[in-house]
Amino acid sequence: DQQVKQNSPSLSVQEGRISILNCDYTNSMFDYFLWYKKYPAEGPTFLISISSIKDKNEDGRFTVFLNKSAKHLSLHIVPSQPGDSAVYFCAATGGTGGTSYGKLTFGQGTILTVHP
Amino acid sequence: NAGVMQNPRHLVRRRGQEARLRCSPMKGHSHVYWYRQLPEEGLKFMVYLQKENIIDESGMPKERFSAEFPKEGPSILRIQQVVRGDSAAYFCASSPRQAGDTQYFGPGTRLTVL
Repeated sequence: DQQVKQNSPSLSVQEGRISILNCDYTNSMFDYFLWYKKYPAEGPTFLISISSIKDKNEDGRFTVFLNKSAKHLSLHIVPSQPGDSAVYFCAATGGTGGTSYGKLTFGQGTILTVHP
Repeated sequence: NAGVMQNPRHLVRRRGQEARLRCSPMKGHSHVYWYRQLPEEGLKFMVYLQKENIIDESGMPKERFSAEFPKEGPSILRIQQVVRGDSAAYFCASSPRQAGDTQYFGPGTRLTVL
């Protein structure tokens, strides 16, 4: 059962344009969401997160939007740069009791390629 | 480097041998998490530990896998009698205060079972 899904395996964008990466989840107990970026042969790097009490969070070129009713979140990168080319994972956590927050459930990842 | 440290970065074992993967969390972090990434897949949670305690091991295979985070020293993920299906990248993450904090990942250990 894939509780977090990234339905687009890849995305190609021109430098300077907006990149939009999407993520859907099924578990209504999730209430904290994160985006990670990963280069080959490296560990995931934390980008940005959002709590379910918000619907938007911004950090520089990165903005995450959360639509709780649709169980959907998206990451916007604007303007996109060639150095943004990487695999992007969304992750979710939450539940009753503190121990549930230790477990991040990841999507399958989206490969973003930004062309100069 | 104040980040999460993992060693070795690459580990090759023959079927039936034991693999030991080490993780030193970021300074000040007392929560450690292990994840596994199989080829072409996302990361899958394995276990969450605090010092001397296993908090959540719901993602650990029932046999051959164990984890510890002793009072002193790094966290260890141990795989006994490895099989080819154990070949994967194993990532450790740490967080500072509690399970709800952001997890920061190490570079991973790539295990290859021959």
